Amino acid sequence: GENVEQHPSTLSVQEGDSAVIKCTYSDSASNYFPWYKQELGKGPQLIIDIRSNVGEKKDQRIAVTLNKTAKHFSLHITETQPEDSAVYFCAARTNTGNQFYFGTGTSLTVIP
Amino acid sequence: DVKVTQSSRYLVKRTGEKVFLECVQDMDHENMFWYRQDPGLGLRLIYFSYDVKMKEKGDIPEGYSVSREKKERFSLILESASTNQTSMYLCASRVEYEQYFGPGTRLTVT
Repeated sequence: GENVEQHPSTLSVQEGDSAVIKCTYSDSASNYFPWYKQELGKGPQLIIDIRSNVGEKKDQRIAVTLNKTAKHFSLHITETQPEDSAVYFCAARTNTGNQFYFGTGTSLTVIP
Repeated sequence: DVKVTQSSRYLVKRTGEKVFLECVQDMDHENMFWYRQDPGLGLRLIYFSYDVKMKEKGDIPEGYSVSREKKERFSLILESASTNQTSMYLCASRVEYEQYFGPGTRLTVT
């Protein structure tokens, strides 16, 4: 099955700096890559996603890039704010499977 | 607005008890999922259902069962709770590509 690895496990940045979280996947059939943000005491919320026919997607301060050849994708948060502090999960899914495979999460702390 | 609700936010049960975790979605989604979340392990799939009365095992089904009698409701059952089932349990439903999570149930088994 698919194996998704996520790095780093913890990340601290100063407010206003950028944050980058990276994931790799193993199954070349995976074609959908969502990113979730989980705040304390809440369930994960989808913040951005990318499909394999696209190399980059941006939504305000958040962007995701995908390199299909290298089988890795990254989340970029620019101009970080304290409310960006949360745990972020990446995931991968194939177009034939029902299952999402999740990374182990990155705890992001934005220092005011 | 998408809505997935779980019956309890916090639950404390004793070893050997039968435990029911309920999940309801109001979006008419066919696919529903149960995950458990543990520190350093991310989200691991226990079971999923792609239609009423249909279910499939995920990566860690041992010690769990599920029930889906109605499209909007997906229940996770711990037949005989054990301390190693202390965890955060997350329900999700999905349409097309997007998956929506409930707020989670933190279960403690003593």
